[in-house]
This record gives sequence, structure tokens and C-alpha cells, in this order.
Amino acid sequence: AQTVTQSQPEMSVQEAETVTLSCTYDTSESDYYLFWYKQPPSRQMILVIRQEAYKQQNATENRFSVNFQKAAKSFSLKISDSQLGDAAMYFCAYREATSGTYKYIFGTGTRLKVLA
Amino acid sequence: SQTIHQWPATLVQPVGSPLSLECTVEGTSNPNLYWYRQAAGRGLQLLFYSVGIGQISSEVPQNLSASRPQDRQFILSSKKLLLSDSGFYLCVQGNTEAFFGQGTRLTVV
Repeated sequence: AQTVTQSQPEMSVQEAETVTLSCTYDTSESDYYLFWYKQPPSRQMILVIRQEAYKQQNATENRFSVNFQKAAKSFSLKISDSQLGDAAMYFCAYREATSGTYKYIFGTGTRLKVLA
Repeated sequence: SQTIHQWPATLVQPVGSPLSLECTVEGTSNPNLYWYRQAAGRGLQLLFYSVGIGQISSEVPQNLSASRPQDRQFILSSKKLLLSDSGFYLCVQGNTEAFFGQGTRLTVV
């Protein structure tokens, strides 16, 4: 069974600095998707970034980028120029690409604090 | 654009009472639908998923059940709530990426 591990329950970063959140996963599949979701205090989940496993190029979305290491099964999220609004829970997620059920497997989350 | 309506937002129910949480989806057809429960420190636990009308798969044995009476309607139910059913429940639609409802905070007292 696939698993997703986020080993950092909590991280802190100074405003305007850069922080990296870690995520590792385990799967025997070769085709899949990886995601980072943000859950602010409102608890409404928001997609931050998405990566297709068949793409070697790391995904980027403005200040957010990932370091996708397929062989190592690692998928870290880098937040540059951190802002107070980045404070939230961040969840790493894995989704099968070919089974048809498309189940999403989530990590336990990392709480990010941004210090002014 | 896709929208997920989930209600109620909060619910306080006594032990032994029934439960019905409803989720409807707009902006897409034949969606894959999921119910997750979020507990502190445990991330999101998949409870049920459905790939079509009447098709329900259960991930975790429990006191809950799910139904999909229409293409864009997904219902989470229980006949008798337990204290351990308390939590934050999320309805999710996810054919290409996961779209989340606003969640229901259920407190069983």
C-alpha cells in the first residue's frame, strides 16, 4: 500500500526567508501524481502545487517550488520570500494515476509558522 | 469551475443519534468522490470513495456508511453515533486533482 510521510510536525520561518517542507512516499507504481495542499485556519484546503511523476522538471508556482526526486521517492516543497499569509498546515498527497480509483493518500501534515 | 457544497458546517450530536452529512458537486460530471476524516496529528484518513452512482468502497471498518444516490451527490451516514466519530469530515472531488468542501466539524457528546 502507498504511504506518505511528513516527518516535520512543525516548522518556523522568518518573514521573507525561505523554508523547505519535506515529504517522502512509498509506492511500487511508476505513474502517479503528487500534490501539496495548504490548509489555513479557515480549514479550506487549497492546492499549492502539483507534480506528475513522468515529468522530470520540477513544478513551480510563483514563490512555491518542489524538489521531486523520483528515485528517492522524495517530494519537498520550497517556499521562497515567506509571507505571513503562508502560515498554515501543509499536506503532501499522493494519487494513483492508472488504477481508476484515484485514491488520494495524505501525509500527517506540517504546521508552518511565519515569524514577523 | 468546480464547486463542492458540504453541510452542515458544524454539528453537535448525542451518542446513539443518527447522522447524515451531505455533499453535492457542481461544474463536473461523473466525479470521483471521497469522504475523509481529519483528526489532529493523523492527517486525512480516507473513509469511503465512489467512482459512480451506487458504487461505494469502504477503506476503514467503522460505524459509518456512505451512499451515492445521484451522480453529484455523496452522503455520509450513521445509524448510531459513537464518541469516537467526532472529527472534521471533508467531502472531496478528485478526477484530476482534489477539490475540497468546506468541511463539517462533528462533535459527539
